Amino acid sequence: NAGVMQNPRHLVRRRGQEARLRCSPMKGHSHVYWYRQLPEEGLKFMVYLQKENIIDESGMPKERFSAEFPKEGPSILRIQQVVRGDSAAYFCASSPPFAGLTYGYTFGSGTRLTVV
Amino acid sequence: DQQVKQNSPSLSVQEGRISILNCDYTNSMFDYFLWYKKYPAEGPTFLISISSIKDKNEDGRFTVFLNKSAKHLSLHIVPSQPGDSAVYFCAAKRGSSNTGKLIFGQGTTLQVKP
Repeated sequence: NAGVMQNPRHLVRRRGQEARLRCSPMKGHSHVYWYRQLPEEGLKFMVYLQKENIIDESGMPKERFSAEFPKEGPSILRIQQVVRGDSAAYFCASSPPFAGLTYGYTFGSGTRLTVV
Repeated sequence: DQQVKQNSPSLSVQEGRISILNCDYTNSMFDYFLWYKKYPAEGPTFLISISSIKDKNEDGRFTVFLNKSAKHLSLHIVPSQPGDSAVYFCAAKRGSSNTGKLIFGQGTTLQVKP
């Protein structure tokens, strides 16, 4: 039973390019969360999605950032026209639809985005 | 607006001794609290959680204490081992269901010296 899979692990983009980060949740998990960790900081919530629905995007920057979780395929976090300040580690987490919080959410290993 | 705060960026303890990591929160509506451990270049891994209706939860070497009146929780690791060296994040959420966002603190780097 594979865990949360994120790819790529490392991504280098030049300023102005687009970055696409992918997240495949654990089997049976229907809820996906994206977090960003800037250097020397904690994890900041960005967006919470279920299949084909954005449930909470209160942590998403207003411009250039978007997320989706289609009926088929992985969840995608898309950053358009990247700037140096977007350089960070982006983590995806997933949770099953029906369970208590005894075991927490499962995180992927992250995608480290570097904007040059 | 930092709703969850870990005021100690780092902590160093000797192997075999107790490690105590602290966390404060400001939102009295939080219902559930979790601790995560993170190694470099890896994602956070879940350690232990506690509901707001309890004041203590224990799992092996790890115990979490919750003081609701002080809006404070702590993670005790006894005995500490060198493999415990990592960054520890506390997190909080509203509701006890398995959905909804987690709010994380800034993290505390624990170093356990052999």
